Amino acid sequence: GAGVSQSPRYKVAKRGQDVALRCDPISGHVSLFWYQQALGQGPEFLTYFQNEAQLDKSGLPSDRFFAERPEGSVSTLKIQRTQQEDSAVYLCASSFEAYTEAFFGQGTRLTVV
Amino acid sequence: KQEVTQIPAALSVPEGENLVLNCSFTDSAIYNLQWFRQDPGKGLTSLLLIQSSQREQTSGRLNASLDKSSGRSTLYIAASQPGDSATYLCAVRSGNTGKLIFGQGTTLQVKP
Repeated sequence: GAGVSQSPRYKVAKRGQDVALRCDPISGHVSLFWYQQALGQGPEFLTYFQNEAQLDKSGLPSDRFFAERPEGSVSTLKIQRTQQEDSAVYLCASSFEAYTEAFFGQGTRLTVV
Repeated sequence: KQEVTQIPAALSVPEGENLVLNCSFTDSAIYNLQWFRQDPGKGLTSLLLIQSSQREQTSGRLNASLDKSSGRSTLYIAASQPGDSATYLCAVRSGNTGKLIFGQGTTLQVKP
């Protein structure tokens, strides 16, 4: 595709509900990153994929967060038993290789009520 | 641990003014540095990428410089316009996975 696409754009979840956020990277991009952005803050790293391999998940805040990229293209970030502190914008970025220019999607704004 | 700081947090200038946004980082062992723009409720738009071996990059009215040894980068915006109003984020890429470490951003308002 022309750019990184994320869906849904907005998600309201009741506390305790599971959510799944989708990221469609730029075609041919090997590297895919997930970031979390709280209001008024810069994005913070969550996890990194090189093709289908999850090489770094050091930023995932708890074991309720799980990410996958089974075929090396589309990625899904899943949050189980959502809590209010999970409310944030979740950004996906892709790049041709790990250290090349990163392109971001529009993000998914998650609100947990 | 790499930390990135952006000063000022907010800036308001009249249209037409030249301005400089500052970014500093604590660990000079970086691969590159990237400047982004973020409009309210939107994702990040890449502005400029400077490799660690480069001193500056230019795109239109934007010029970014990098002084790796002192841990500093600046983004210079010439002849600012109201459409430049946004939050500007700098991020450094280091470590062995290429993840970006972001500053908290500078929110710029250009008044007509």
